[in-house]
Amino acid sequence: DAGVTQSPTHLIKTRGQHVTLRCSPISGHKSVSWYQQVLGQGPQFIFQYYEKEERGRGNFPDRFSARQFPNYSSELNVNALLLGDSALYLCASGDSGRLDEQYFGPGTRLTVT
Amino acid sequence: LAKTTQPISMDSYEGQEVNITCSHNNIATNDYITWYQQFPSQGPRFIIQGYKTKVTNEVASLFIPADRKSSTLSLPRVSLSDTAVYYCLVGVSYNQGGKLIFGQGTELSVKP
Repeated sequence: DAGVTQSPTHLIKTRGQHVTLRCSPISGHKSVSWYQQVLGQGPQFIFQYYEKEERGRGNFPDRFSARQFPNYSSELNVNALLLGDSALYLCASGDSGRLDEQYFGPGTRLTVT
Repeated sequence: LAKTTQPISMDSYEGQEVNITCSHNNIATNDYITWYQQFPSQGPRFIIQGYKTKVTNEVASLFIPADRKSSTLSLPRVSLSDTAVYYCLVGVSYNQGGKLIFGQGTELSVKP
């Protein structure tokens, strides 16, 4: 079975630009979460979507937004990029009944210059 | 959610057993204890979860004392490929859609 997939793998953007990251969950999983991980730290929660609705939001500015599509895939959008947005962006999918057991994708490495 | 405390780093040699202890004094009655493993430039991977006593799978064992204020992840006979960061998580914030709270983790370095 395919795991969580994310695209692109790497991305380099300039300050002020916007970026869209994509995630496909494990087949059958309806929950998708996004995390940001900066070097040397643990992942930080950004959003969680379930059945196309936002169910949770972390402490991130409004420049960060996301959505979930009918096929349960998801996009994370970040506007007006800052240097501090450089990080590994992780997508995780899970079964709504076992959200403490989530399956992470390989991540998208975003570099903002 | 309960705050967790674990060592920042540990060193070991191939073939040794490694025990990583996590403190979670404020664990709630309904909280499970979950450990994730993360290799460089990869997403975290769920490795084991428990509620009390001992849980064992093909990867690791998890020991939880009766008061549940701490837990110990045990990796038997580690190899170089076990070099990774190990995160202890307690509970999940269902009112925030299943938010997982990761601390800094324990960076395990296995040497030949």
